Amino acid sequence: SQQGEEDPQALSIQEGENATMNCSYKTSINNLQWYRQNSGRGLVHLILIRSNEREKHSGRLRVTLDTSKKSSSLLITASRAADTASYFCATDDMRFGAGTRLTVKP
Amino acid sequence: DAMVIQNPRYQVTQFGKPVTLSCSQTLNHNVMYWYQQKSSQAPKLLFHYYDKDFNNEADTPDNFQSRRPNTSFCFLDIRSPGLGDAAMYLCATSRDQFGQGRLQTQYFGPGTRLLVL
Repeated sequence: SQQGEEDPQALSIQEGENATMNCSYKTSINNLQWYRQNSGRGLVHLILIRSNEREKHSGRLRVTLDTSKKSSSLLITASRAADTASYFCATDDMRFGAGTRLTVKP
Repeated sequence: DAMVIQNPRYQVTQFGKPVTLSCSQTLNHNVMYWYQQKSSQAPKLLFHYYDKDFNNEADTPDNFQSRRPNTSFCFLDIRSPGLGDAAMYLCATSRDQFGQGRLQTQYFGPGTRLLVL
């Protein structure tokens, strides 16, 4: 069964803008991971945040976690056309949310 | 350097004709997973192997089976494909098994897209 739910389902922005995607989950977690999937390809791991962390950065990525609300957000700053992909969150039982499809227009 | 390899990338089969998808890994990881992903949907975990131990998800249809003859290879067998089984099938690995707070990053193959005619 699906654990995480992403919001929005689709997001379209201009290059250079920031993109924020949200993920909500149902049960308690120890870790939450974000993955990226280019069209027709496998998933690539982006970043992991542990349940005792509130925020984590990796390059242009910023992830926050609010365990009281059972939610996480992924922020991509200064977006590029190459960031166009689907983004999924996954809880520590390896179940994925529905994903956010991000389109970055050049 | 490919780490998780899936062959073929595209597979066409006929309704009811058994089909096997293959996955191999060069990471020497203990765990291998199979996911089904339909268009615009999340990957759905079908089952996983922790070494030789097979773990089936409760809602995976009996039509789907898996084999792992050795550490490097894992196969997905669809015994009688139906039109609803057309999807992308993703193989993934992780060093160790998830659960109990263990941190496991998955490494995915490029997927095999299955068409059922």
